[in-house]
This record gives sequence, structure tokens and C-alpha cells, in this order.
Amino acid sequence: QLQLQESGPGLVKPSETLSLACTVFGDSISSYYWSWIRQPPGKGLEWIGYIHDSGSIKYNPSLKSRVTISVHPSRNQFSLRLRSVTAADTAVYYCARDGRSRDRGRFDYWGQGTLVTVSS
Amino acid sequence: QSVLTQPPSASGTPGQRVTIYCSGSSSNIGSNYVYWYQHLPGAAPKLLIYRNNQRPSGVPDRFSGSKSGTSASLAISGLRSEDEADYYCASWDDSLSGNVLFGGGTKLTVL
Repeated sequence: QLQLQESGPGLVKPSETLSLACTVFGDSISSYYWSWIRQPPGKGLEWIGYIHDSGSIKYNPSLKSRVTISVHPSRNQFSLRLRSVTAADTAVYYCARDGRSRDRGRFDYWGQGTLVTVSS
Repeated sequence: QSVLTQPPSASGTPGQRVTIYCSGSSSNIGSNYVYWYQHLPGAAPKLLIYRNNQRPSGVPDRFSGSKSGTSASLAISGLRSEDEADYYCASWDDSLSGNVLFGGGTKLTVL
């Protein structure tokens, strides 16, 4: 059974960089697309971006200028960096396995989510 | 504001059938698959429907999806108390070089 686990600091100061990692257990990270999704308190889900180990990457246009998603096949991990954070970036951050080709948006496995609070 | 529009709330009594709608446009629902997610408090979202109307293994057949033009719907029949959750539609959008859109979510209350 595939499992995903997010890790990283739960508190980040304004203007600093949020960094999270997602470790995949139970299967290789290769040959799949992997996404980051977040949910601010009291709000809906927002897709942040995806990555494939081939190097294919796509970001949400609204976050593109501040986001970097990387993949680390040797650790079976992928990661998220979000720069210049503000309180509006406070959210539960999820990592998820994304669908192939025309199935982009088909998130069939999710991590449990990790709350990141932006505050001084 | 989400480009995929869902009603903020829906409700029904146990045993009833409830339908949740998701409205989009030609660049998303009109030309791509629709997915539905169930989100219970404190848990990760769960894929309920993929490719408009397909159920993953383990999802009861009480849940069904459909799509027509630029709109989609999720129907839940034989409503149960454990169905009380937030429901989100999602679809790929071809505009602005492409991205995944989620609806704003519908809070389903089982009365």
C-alpha cells in the first residue's frame, strides 16, 4: 500500500522560505506525477504544482513566482519550497500522487497533511 | 474565487439522494476529466470519482458522477450520517499554461 508522509517545520516567519518534504513509501517515486496541495484554515483546496522525475514541472500560475518543487529519486522524496511567505500562506499542506497524462488532477494517494503557520 | 463553482452547502436526511453540482467552462470541465473528493475533518481528502464517472476500488456505488458540457455533478444515494463531509470537484484547466482547479467545496450536512 502506497503511503506518503510530509515533513518539515510547522512554523515559519514572514518573508522567509517554507520548506517541506514528502517521502513516498511502498513504491518507487519514478514514473508518476507528484503534487503539492494546500488548504488554508476555513478555505478550500488549492493545487500548488506537480513534478515528474523526468523533469516535467508545472506550477499554479498564482504561486509560480515563489514556488520550487524538486524530486529526489535516491531518497524517494519530493519537496516544496515557497519563498517570501506571508500569513496568507498559513495552511495544511498535502502531498499527493497525481494521475498520468490526461488524468492530471486524479489524486489517488495523499499524505496526512501538515499544518504550516506563518507567524513571527 | 474558484473558477469551478460549487454551492457552499447541501443537506439531506438519511436515505435520501443528494446531488452536488460543479460548474466550469470550456477550458476545464468542457474539455477535461472531472474528479470528486470527499474531505472529512482531520483527514486527507479521498478520491471518490475519477474520469467523470469512475469509482476507485472501495468506493461504494452509492456515489456516482456525471458530466455534461461544462458542468458536472456528484450524486449520493442512500445518504448516511458518515457522508457528512466537504466535497470538492477538480479538473485540469487548459488556460494560463495549465493548472489543476478545485471547486470551492460543498459542505454536506446529514440532518
